[in-house]
Amino acid sequence: DVKVTQSSRYLVKRTGEKVFLECVQDMDHENMFWYRQDPGLGLRLIYFSYDVKMKEKGDIPEGYSVSREKKERFSLILESASTNQTSMYLCASITRSPNTEAFFGQGTRLTVV
Amino acid sequence: AQKVTQAQTEISVVEKEDVTLDCVYETRDTTYYLFWYKQPPSGELVFLIRRNSFDEQNEISGRYSWNFQKSTSSFNFTITASQVVDSAVYFCALSTQTGANNLFFGTGTRLTVIP
Repeated sequence: DVKVTQSSRYLVKRTGEKVFLECVQDMDHENMFWYRQDPGLGLRLIYFSYDVKMKEKGDIPEGYSVSREKKERFSLILESASTNQTSMYLCASITRSPNTEAFFGQGTRLTVV
Repeated sequence: AQKVTQAQTEISVVEKEDVTLDCVYETRDTTYYLFWYKQPPSGELVFLIRRNSFDEQNEISGRYSWNFQKSTSSFNFTITASQVVDSAVYFCALSTQTGANNLFFGTGTRLTVIP
């Protein structure tokens, strides 16, 4: 059973705080992704990683950074949280082969006040 | 560029009715994969189906069926005899080789099944 675990289900942070969202997968998947979900906008890709210490920008990377020091862990960092980063954040992992599905974590609902 | 369009934002049906969720995709790749995911109120996305671009055979799984038509770039999802537990947001997604195996999502369709 593939498990993608996000460290927090709900998070409330203050404007200007540095925020860490953690994601861990236990299936030895090479690729990991961070998406942001907002009403009417679907899931938008923030960053992804193909391997340890490798990262690529997605569609909306501004205001975010990521870290992948170990294969199983992919962290999303909000350097200075702002109210427009209030959203649902979803982590996913997938094998490198294209003929497979992505497995998602349960999501972190972040509120920045 | 890759794009997925789900024109239906919200759909409401009465229990036991059939409902079709539309998905139209755009890609210049000849090899690609199409997916449907379900997101129940709990929030976690649940994989439903994957289809590759070389397999246009329609698929049925219980009350769920999928109609893949390359001629119209569509991958529609039908739920037969809908149930309250089908209430969720449904996402269609596209993955391509030039898209580096990223999943490009549509904006989702919220389905409400009324008892």
